Amino acid sequence: QVHLVESGGDVVQPGWSLSLSCAASGFTFSNYVFNWVRQAPGRGLEWVASISSDGGHRYYNKSLKGRFTIARDNMRYTLNLYMNGLTSEDTAVYYCARVETAGLSYHYDYWGQGTLVTVS
Amino acid sequence: QSVLTQPPSVSGAPGQTVTISCTGSSSNIGARYDVHWYQQFPGAAPKLLIYMNTFRPSGIPDRFSGSKSGTSASLAISGLQAEDEADYYCQSFDSSLSGSVFGTGTRVTVL
Repeated sequence: QVHLVESGGDVVQPGWSLSLSCAASGFTFSNYVFNWVRQAPGRGLEWVASISSDGGHRYYNKSLKGRFTIARDNMRYTLNLYMNGLTSEDTAVYYCARVETAGLSYHYDYWGQGTLVTVS
Repeated sequence: QSVLTQPPSVSGAPGQTVTISCTGSSSNIGARYDVHWYQQFPGAAPKLLIYMNTFRPSGIPDRFSGSKSGTSASLAISGLQAEDEADYYCQSFDSSLSGSVFGTGTRVTVL
């Protein structure tokens, strides 16, 4: 059974850094692309970053202006998001989502429960 | 920063059919990228509802159906039930952003 569990969310001050983790189980982690998606309170979903199955390719939402880094450890079945220079605009629930590639484009077949980051 | 536009809310009586539109542009839906739909209840993570425009994952009732044409897509919920009250989001890929894009989200209310 696929299981994704995020952790690391916290209350931090503007300008601080924070690291999020997503522990995966129930499938072969190294076979899948993963994304981070966030949702500000009362707002919609926003794509944050994507990492290829081997970690060799990474893509970011341009609005982040290079402050975030996505990484993965295929041996430890872990996805990470390193966030720097946090602002109030980064306050959100952060979800890790497994990517299923089929047809033209990709979708998210499994999501974690999310971890809340509050910048205040 | 939603690139796909959805109506903020739709409502219907139990048993009726409601439709949610998702309008994009030539760099996403119009570029023939597939559209996918998610259902989200308050306080919960999104759940895949429709993928590749029209396909339902295992366990999703056939009351939910999707379609796509040109730069738009639609999600229809027939035989509306109280348990369908939730937020619904469309999602696709945008070539100019090199990443995923989501719709603005639609709240479905069962009257």
